[in-house]
Amino acid sequence: DTGVSQDPRHKITKRGQNVTFRCDPISEHNRLYWYRQTLGQGPEFLTYFQNEAQLEKSRLLSDRFSAERPKGSFSTLEIQRTEQGDSAMYLCASSFALDRDNQPQHFGDGTRLSIL
Amino acid sequence: DAKTTQPTSMDCAEGRAANLPCNHSTISGNEYVYWYRQIHSQGPQYIIHGLKNNETNEMASLIITEDRKSSTLILPHATLRDTAVYYCIVRFAYSGAGSYQLTFGKGTKLSVIP
Repeated sequence: DTGVSQDPRHKITKRGQNVTFRCDPISEHNRLYWYRQTLGQGPEFLTYFQNEAQLEKSRLLSDRFSAERPKGSFSTLEIQRTEQGDSAMYLCASSFALDRDNQPQHFGDGTRLSIL
Repeated sequence: DAKTTQPTSMDCAEGRAANLPCNHSTISGNEYVYWYRQIHSQGPQYIIHGLKNNETNEMASLIITEDRKSSTLILPHATLRDTAVYYCIVRFAYSGAGSYQLTFGKGTKLSVIP
């Protein structure tokens, strides 16, 4: 168990640029989640995948946000035309879930995004 | 998911037991109580979860009241490395609609004092 890995750990970019973050989940986990955390707040759910299917995306903050998990393994979160308010920590988590077996989510250490 | 209420902050002397309370008075019968913690600049770390019975693992113990309306996370011998924000979360037990997300509050900031 090597844990959930996120890359990069830090990203600084100018307003208006596009950014993409990567998440590698724990290998046997079929679910992958994205959360956002702003200063002083708990993480806020954005979206999740079961295998390669994105089953919930209504919580994505705007149409500038999109996520993919093309082969059911790693995932990417993209933010287009970044704004100052997008500055936050973006967290990825993964878990195994099957029928009545709903295991805990395990988090990576996040990507901290700073918009200049 | 049901809402939880936790104190904003707590202090604990190093080496003593840290008892972190959580109220979840609207919890339903098929919702687990989960505890996570977040050390500065890291992602949330899973600690323990339970449904009805008390649970213990290598990190902590979870005591759930008989009516399930509140619980207490116990760190038996707190160290300086246990200084973190601790989140109490309720979540559906089964893998279905509404079970996918964790709803975090602001948690309890635990400071372990030398």
